[in-house]
Amino acid sequence: GNSVTQMEGPVTLSEEAFLTINCTYTATGYPSLFWYVQYPGEGLQLLLKATKADDKGSNKGFEATYRKETTSFHLEKGSVQVSDSAVYFCALSDWGMNTGFQKLVFGTGTRLLVSP
Amino acid sequence: DGGITQSPKYLFRKEGQNVTLSCEQNLNHDAMYWYRQDPGQGLRLIYYSQIVNDFQKGDIAEGYSVSREKKESFPLTVTSAQKNPTAFYLCASSLAGGYTFGSGTRLTVV
Repeated sequence: GNSVTQMEGPVTLSEEAFLTINCTYTATGYPSLFWYVQYPGEGLQLLLKATKADDKGSNKGFEATYRKETTSFHLEKGSVQVSDSAVYFCALSDWGMNTGFQKLVFGTGTRLLVSP
Repeated sequence: DGGITQSPKYLFRKEGQNVTLSCEQNLNHDAMYWYRQDPGQGLRLIYYSQIVNDFQKGDIAEGYSVSREKKESFPLTVTSAQKNPTAFYLCASSLAGGYTFGSGTRLTVV
């Protein structure tokens, strides 16, 4: 079945450092790809998404490009802030072959810790 | 403002008891989902529902039950058959590929 693999954390950075969180996927067809962010004790918030190959999603200084040739959707930010400390989830939309129903498949999450 | 409301935020259960987690949305979304989150395992799908009075098992449905009697509501019951229920539970809804998540319920077995 479809799956998402993320780099293990925690990722520990100093403020203003460059961030990369790797995400690769396995899928049949052409899924949409997502990055979600989870702050402590809260639900998930959509950070950005891309719906087709070569699309770049961006939001709040974060970017990710849908790379079909490498099946990747790596998250990047040029200069992280302490407030970016959270858990980041990569996900893809999975259309069920038998149900015709779309659901999200998540990676295991990567915790980001940013120190002043 | 539209959104998803999960309640309670924290829930404690004695072993052998059933408990029900509430999920209500006012987004007019057709589809609703329940996910379980454990440390280091990401989110795993428990149940989902495409329309009222219809729901399907996800990847880890054993020990759980749901109902979808109204479009707005998708409660999850954690039964005594669920051997390891301590986890963070997230409800979500979707329409046309856009997903909205609730703030979660943390269930602890005591």
